[in-house]
Amino acid sequence: EDQVTQSPEALRLQEGESSSLNCSYTVSGLRGLFWYRQDPGKGPEFLFTLYSAGEEKEKERLKATLTKKESFLHITAPKPEDSATYLCAVQDSNYQLIWGAGTKLIIKP
Amino acid sequence: KAGVTQTPRYLIKTRGQQVTLSCSPISGHRSVSWYQQTPGQGLQFLFEYFSETQRNKGNFPGRFSGRQFSNSRSEMNVSTLELGDSALYLCASSLGHYSYNEQFFGPGTRLTVL
Repeated sequence: EDQVTQSPEALRLQEGESSSLNCSYTVSGLRGLFWYRQDPGKGPEFLFTLYSAGEEKEKERLKATLTKKESFLHITAPKPEDSATYLCAVQDSNYQLIWGAGTKLIIKP
Repeated sequence: KAGVTQTPRYLIKTRGQQVTLSCSPISGHRSVSWYQQTPGQGLQFLFEYFSETQRNKGNFPGRFSGRQFSNSRSEMNVSTLELGDSALYLCASSLGHYSYNEQFFGPGTRLTVL
């Protein structure tokens, strides 16, 4: 059965303290892995799409990487405005989209 | 460019009733997907519509249905509401079908079933 697991569930960091969020998956025929950010009371906001192992994408303080079993979202020198829930989703060979439960990131000033 | 809009934003219903939610996609986007988000289950895919046709469907009972109009606006309907249907219902639009790359989400409709 296709499954997406995100860890940790929650992460508290000091401003400037770099870290990584993990998204591990088991899926039949990965078509794509997506990272989204969701702020309270809002819908998710698209960040990255990764298609194959070894691929990397960067945007400001965020960098997403992909292996055959997992993806990492690296956050470098985070700021309080980076606080949000980060969601990972994978698309399988049947075009089904399976979402992880998310990691709630809190950056303290 | 206007974003995805959803109406109503909040809704309170009682068990057994039915509800219709509306979604207006970004202008030019032809695909609309619907999701249910709950604290326990996270985001779960309901269905996707493209050019007025359902192209993909998640694992939800037949009480959940939807449709898309020629102007790409979409509605979803839930009949015979159950307490477990309380959730945030999100709509997302994108240019093409199966095109989950760069979906744009609306703010959601918060449904409470009493």
